[in-house]
Amino acid sequence: GQQLNQSPQSMFIQEGEDVSMNCTSSSIFNTWLWYKQDPGEGPVLLIALYKAGELTSNGRLTAQFGITRKDSFLNISASIPSDVGIYFCAGITGNQFYFGTGTSLTVIP
Amino acid sequence: DAGVIQSPRHEVTEMGQEVTLRCKPISGHNSLFWYRQTMMRGLELLIYFNNNVPIDDSGMPEDRFSAKMPNASFSTLKIQPSEPRDSAVYFCASIKQGAVYGYTFGSGTRLTVV
Repeated sequence: GQQLNQSPQSMFIQEGEDVSMNCTSSSIFNTWLWYKQDPGEGPVLLIALYKAGELTSNGRLTAQFGITRKDSFLNISASIPSDVGIYFCAGITGNQFYFGTGTSLTVIP
Repeated sequence: DAGVIQSPRHEVTEMGQEVTLRCKPISGHNSLFWYRQTMMRGLELLIYFNNNVPIDDSGMPEDRFSAKMPNASFSTLKIQPSEPRDSAVYFCASIKQGAVYGYTFGSGTRLTVV
Protein backbone atom coordinates (compact mmCIF):
# COMPACT_ATOMS: atom_id res chain seq x y z
CA GLY A 1 0.00 0.00 0.00
CA GLN A 2 0.91 3.65 0.04
CA GLN A 3 3.67 4.72 2.38
CA LEU A 4 3.57 8.09 4.08
CA ASN A 5 6.77 8.99 5.86
CA GLN A 6 6.58 11.49 8.67
CA SER A 7 9.50 13.28 10.20
CA PRO A 8 10.69 13.71 12.73
CA GLN A 9 9.53 10.57 14.51
CA SER A 10 9.62 12.35 17.86
CA MET A 11 10.30 15.82 19.18
CA PHE A 12 11.10 17.20 22.61
CA ILE A 13 10.74 20.97 22.79
CA GLN A 14 10.50 23.73 25.34
CA GLU A 15 7.19 25.46 25.89
CA GLY A 16 6.96 28.51 23.67
CA GLU A 17 9.03 27.09 20.84
CA ASP A 18 7.71 26.62 17.34
CA VAL A 19 7.34 23.12 15.88
CA SER A 20 7.63 21.90 12.32
CA MET A 21 6.90 18.46 10.99
CA ASN A 22 6.34 17.05 7.56
CA CYS A 23 4.93 14.16 5.66
CA THR A 24 6.16 12.85 2.32
CA SER A 25 4.95 10.25 -0.11
CA SER A 26 6.04 8.71 -3.36
CA SER A 27 2.48 9.10 -4.62
CA ILE A 28 0.20 12.03 -5.33
CA PHE A 29 -2.74 12.75 -3.07
CA ASN A 30 -5.84 14.83 -3.68
CA THR A 31 -6.34 15.73 -0.04
CA TRP A 32 -4.04 15.98 2.94
CA LEU A 33 -5.22 15.82 6.51
CA TRP A 34 -3.51 16.37 9.84
CA TYR A 35 -4.73 14.63 12.98
CA LYS A 36 -3.70 14.85 16.62
CA GLN A 37 -4.01 11.93 19.02
CA ASP A 38 -4.06 12.64 22.73
CA PRO A 39 -2.95 9.83 25.05
CA GLY A 40 -5.73 7.27 25.43
CA GLU A 41 -7.93 8.84 22.78
CA GLY A 42 -8.60 8.49 19.07
CA PRO A 43 -7.10 10.84 16.49
CA VAL A 44 -8.92 14.15 16.03
CA LEU A 45 -8.88 16.08 12.78
CA LEU A 46 -6.96 19.36 12.98
CA ILE A 47 -6.68 20.65 9.44
CA ALA A 48 -7.75 19.52 5.97
CA LEU A 49 -6.04 20.66 2.75
CA TYR A 50 -7.69 20.27 -0.62
CA LYS A 51 -5.42 21.68 -3.30
CA ALA A 52 -1.76 21.97 -4.11
CA GLY A 53 -0.10 25.00 -2.59
CA GLU A 54 -2.94 25.61 -0.14
CA LEU A 55 -1.93 27.12 3.18
CA THR A 56 -4.47 26.77 5.98
CA SER A 57 -4.40 27.90 9.60
CA ASN A 58 -6.28 26.75 12.65
CA GLY A 59 -5.27 28.90 15.59
CA ARG A 60 -1.58 28.32 16.25
CA LEU A 61 -1.49 25.55 13.66
CA THR A 62 -0.61 26.13 10.03
CA ALA A 63 -0.47 23.41 7.39
CA GLN A 64 0.48 23.44 3.74
CA PHE A 65 -0.34 21.16 0.84
CA GLY A 66 2.88 20.75 -1.12
CA ILE A 67 3.04 21.94 -4.71
CA THR A 68 4.04 18.48 -5.93
CA ARG A 69 1.00 17.01 -4.08
CA LYS A 70 3.39 14.47 -2.57
CA ASP A 71 4.02 16.24 0.70
CA SER A 72 2.53 18.34 3.44
CA PHE A 73 3.82 20.35 6.36
CA LEU A 74 2.44 21.22 9.77
CA ASN A 75 3.72 24.03 11.93
CA ILE A 76 2.74 24.80 15.51
CA SER A 77 3.68 28.20 16.83
CA ALA A 78 4.34 29.09 20.47
CA SER A 79 3.85 25.53 21.74
CA ILE A 80 2.04 24.91 25.02
CA PRO A 81 1.96 21.79 27.22
CA SER A 82 -1.42 20.65 25.86
CA ASP A 83 0.12 20.32 22.40
CA VAL A 84 1.65 17.06 23.58
CA GLY A 85 0.49 14.05 21.63
CA ILE A 86 1.03 12.20 18.39
CA TYR A 87 0.44 14.03 15.13
CA PHE A 88 -0.55 12.01 12.09
CA CYS A 89 -0.73 13.06 8.49
CA ALA A 90 -3.14 11.32 6.17
CA GLY A 91 -3.42 11.41 2.41
CA ILE A 92 -6.55 10.69 0.44
CA THR A 93 -6.66 9.40 -3.09
CA GLY A 94 -9.92 8.13 -4.45
CA ASN A 95 -11.74 6.63 -1.50
CA GLN A 96 -8.58 5.47 0.23
CA PHE A 97 -7.05 7.03 3.33
CA TYR A 98 -3.38 6.44 4.08
CA PHE A 99 -1.91 7.42 7.43
CA GLY A 100 1.61 8.48 8.21
CA THR A 101 3.74 6.90 10.88
CA GLY A 102 3.18 9.73 13.34
CA THR A 103 5.28 12.37 15.07
CA SER A 104 5.32 12.22 18.85
CA LEU A 105 5.54 15.67 20.42
CA THR A 106 6.59 16.33 23.99
CA VAL A 107 6.44 19.88 25.31
CA ILE A 108 8.55 20.60 28.35
CA PRO A 109 7.07 23.33 30.57
CA ASP B 1 -23.70 14.73 18.26
CA ALA B 2 -22.19 12.03 20.45
CA GLY B 3 -19.46 11.15 17.98
CA VAL B 4 -18.32 7.63 17.22
CA ILE B 5 -18.97 5.45 20.26
CA GLN B 6 -16.88 2.38 20.98
CA SER B 7 -17.24 -0.17 23.71
CA PRO B 8 -15.70 -1.40 25.82
CA ARG B 9 -12.91 1.15 26.41
CA HIS B 10 -10.67 -1.51 27.89
CA GLU B 11 -10.75 -5.27 27.57
CA VAL B 12 -8.47 -7.77 29.24
CA THR B 13 -8.96 -11.36 28.25
CA GLU B 14 -7.17 -14.67 28.36
CA MET B 15 -5.62 -16.20 25.31
CA GLY B 16 -8.12 -18.37 23.45
CA GLN B 17 -11.17 -16.41 24.52
CA GLU B 18 -13.54 -14.72 22.11
CA VAL B 19 -13.46 -10.93 22.08
CA THR B 20 -16.14 -8.68 20.60
CA LEU B 21 -15.56 -4.97 20.06
CA ARG B 22 -18.48 -2.69 19.31
CA CYS B 23 -18.91 0.54 17.40
CA LYS B 24 -21.73 2.98 16.83
CA PRO B 25 -20.93 5.40 14.00
CA ILE B 26 -22.14 8.96 13.74
CA SER B 27 -25.71 9.13 12.53
CA GLY B 28 -25.78 9.84 8.80
CA HIS B 29 -22.28 8.50 8.18
CA ASN B 30 -22.49 5.58 5.79
CA SER B 31 -18.85 4.49 5.73
CA LEU B 32 -17.28 2.74 8.71
CA PHE B 33 -13.68 1.72 9.24
CA TRP B 34 -11.92 -0.51 11.75
CA TYR B 35 -8.28 0.27 12.50
CA ARG B 36 -5.72 -1.35 14.76
CA GLN B 37 -2.94 0.70 16.33
CA THR B 38 0.30 -0.69 17.74
CA MET B 39 3.65 0.86 18.48
CA MET B 40 5.32 -1.32 15.89
CA ARG B 41 2.96 -0.85 12.95
CA GLY B 42 1.09 2.36 13.70
CA LEU B 43 -2.47 2.64 12.36
CA GLU B 44 -3.49 -0.30 10.20
CA LEU B 45 -6.77 -0.43 8.31
CA LEU B 46 -8.45 -3.76 8.99
CA ILE B 47 -11.73 -3.47 7.11
CA TYR B 48 -14.21 -0.89 5.93
CA PHE B 49 -17.90 -0.86 5.10
CA ASN B 50 -19.94 1.31 2.76
CA ASN B 51 -23.69 1.25 3.41
CA ASN B 52 -23.25 -1.75 5.73
CA VAL B 53 -21.47 -3.78 3.03
CA PRO B 54 -17.84 -4.86 3.58
CA ILE B 55 -15.78 -3.34 0.77
CA ASP B 56 -12.19 -4.19 1.61
CA ASP B 57 -11.14 -6.67 4.28
CA SER B 58 -7.63 -7.21 2.98
CA GLY B 59 -6.23 -5.77 6.17
CA MET B 60 -7.84 -8.38 8.41
CA PRO B 61 -4.91 -10.32 9.81
CA GLU B 62 -6.32 -13.80 9.54
CA ASP B 63 -9.43 -15.90 9.82
CA ARG B 64 -9.58 -15.35 13.55
CA PHE B 65 -10.82 -11.82 12.82
CA SER B 66 -14.30 -11.10 11.55
CA ALA B 67 -16.40 -7.94 11.29
CA LYS B 68 -20.07 -7.34 10.74
CA MET B 69 -22.31 -4.36 10.22
CA PRO B 70 -25.90 -5.56 10.57
CA ASN B 71 -27.32 -2.05 10.28
CA ALA B 72 -26.26 1.55 9.74
CA SER B 73 -25.81 2.23 13.43
CA PHE B 74 -23.82 -0.73 14.67
CA SER B 75 -20.72 -2.73 13.84
CA THR B 76 -18.73 -5.42 15.61
CA LEU B 77 -15.19 -6.69 15.31
CA LYS B 78 -14.73 -10.18 16.68
CA ILE B 79 -11.54 -12.07 17.43
CA GLN B 80 -11.89 -15.79 18.02
CA PRO B 81 -9.70 -17.22 19.44
CA SER B 82 -7.69 -14.29 20.74
CA GLU B 83 -3.89 -14.38 20.99
CA PRO B 84 -1.42 -12.18 22.89
CA ARG B 85 -0.21 -10.62 19.62
CA ASP B 86 -3.73 -9.23 19.12
CA SER B 87 -3.10 -6.82 22.00
CA ALA B 88 -3.51 -3.33 20.57
CA VAL B 89 -5.85 -0.36 20.49
CA TYR B 90 -8.70 -0.88 18.06
CA PHE B 91 -10.34 2.20 16.58
CA CYS B 92 -13.57 2.60 14.73
CA ALA B 93 -14.04 5.61 12.45
CA SER B 94 -16.90 6.82 10.31
CA ILE B 95 -17.47 9.29 7.51
CA LYS B 96 -20.19 10.23 5.08
CA GLN B 97 -19.20 8.54 1.83
CA GLY B 98 -17.74 11.06 -0.59
CA ALA B 99 -16.98 13.62 2.09
CA VAL B 100 -13.49 15.01 2.09
CA TYR B 101 -13.26 16.38 5.61
CA GLY B 102 -11.78 13.23 7.10
CA TYR B 103 -12.81 10.46 9.39
CA THR B 104 -14.19 10.90 12.86
CA PHE B 105 -12.56 8.40 15.17
CA GLY B 106 -13.94 6.80 18.29
CA SER B 107 -11.94 6.76 21.50
CA GLY B 108 -10.78 3.21 20.86
CA THR B 109 -10.81 -0.09 22.70
CA ARG B 110 -7.56 -1.07 24.37
CA LEU B 111 -7.34 -4.85 24.15
CA THR B 112 -4.92 -6.85 26.24
CA VAL B 113 -4.71 -10.59 25.70
CA VAL B 114 -2.78 -12.40 28.41
